[in-house]
Amino acid sequence: EAGVTQSPTHLIKTRGQQATLRCSPISGHTSVYWYQQALGLGLQFLLWYDEGEERNRGNFPPRFSGRQFPNYSSELNVNALELEDSALYLCASNSPGRRNTEAFFGQGTRLTVV
Amino acid sequence: DAKTTQPTSMDCAEGRAANLPCNHSTISGNEYVYWYRQIHSQGPQYIIHGLKNNETNEMASLIITEDRKSSTLILPHATLRDTAVYYCIVRVAGNAGNMLTFGGGTRLMVKP
Repeated sequence: EAGVTQSPTHLIKTRGQQATLRCSPISGHTSVYWYQQALGLGLQFLLWYDEGEERNRGNFPPRFSGRQFPNYSSELNVNALELEDSALYLCASNSPGRRNTEAFFGQGTRLTVV
Repeated sequence: DAKTTQPTSMDCAEGRAANLPCNHSTISGNEYVYWYRQIHSQGPQYIIHGLKNNETNEMASLIITEDRKSSTLILPHATLRDTAVYYCIVRVAGNAGNMLTFGGGTRLMVKP
């Protein structure tokens, strides 16, 4: 069974540009979570999508947004990139309502803003 | 979610048991203890979780005190590949909306 997959692995953008990161959850999982991990810092919760809807968001500005598609894959968009947006962006998936709801993570997209 | 407290770092000799403690004195009755680890620059990996009984799987054992205010993750025979940051998290299971809140974790260094 395939795990959570993220693309691209690495992304380099210029300040002010937009970045799009993609995540495919484990088959059967309906929830997707996005986290940001800046260098040397902990994982900060960004967004949670379930059944195509945004269910919750962390303390991030509106230029961080995303969506979830009918096949439960998800995109994270970061507009007007700033240097401090450079980080590892991690996606996780699970399914609500199941007994074992541990989340499984992808390997992340490393975004570098120059 | 209840907060957790973990030591910042620990060392362990290769082949020995690694015992990683976690305090969660404000844990609620319906909150589970979850453990994840993150090997350098990779996505966090689920290890184990439990409510009040001790749990064991192929990766580790989880010992939860009777009052549930603390727990210990045990890696029975640590290897160099177990060097990672270990996160102890408490959350309500069966509720995907209760997303994982990561603290600072414990940086475990397994030494030859």
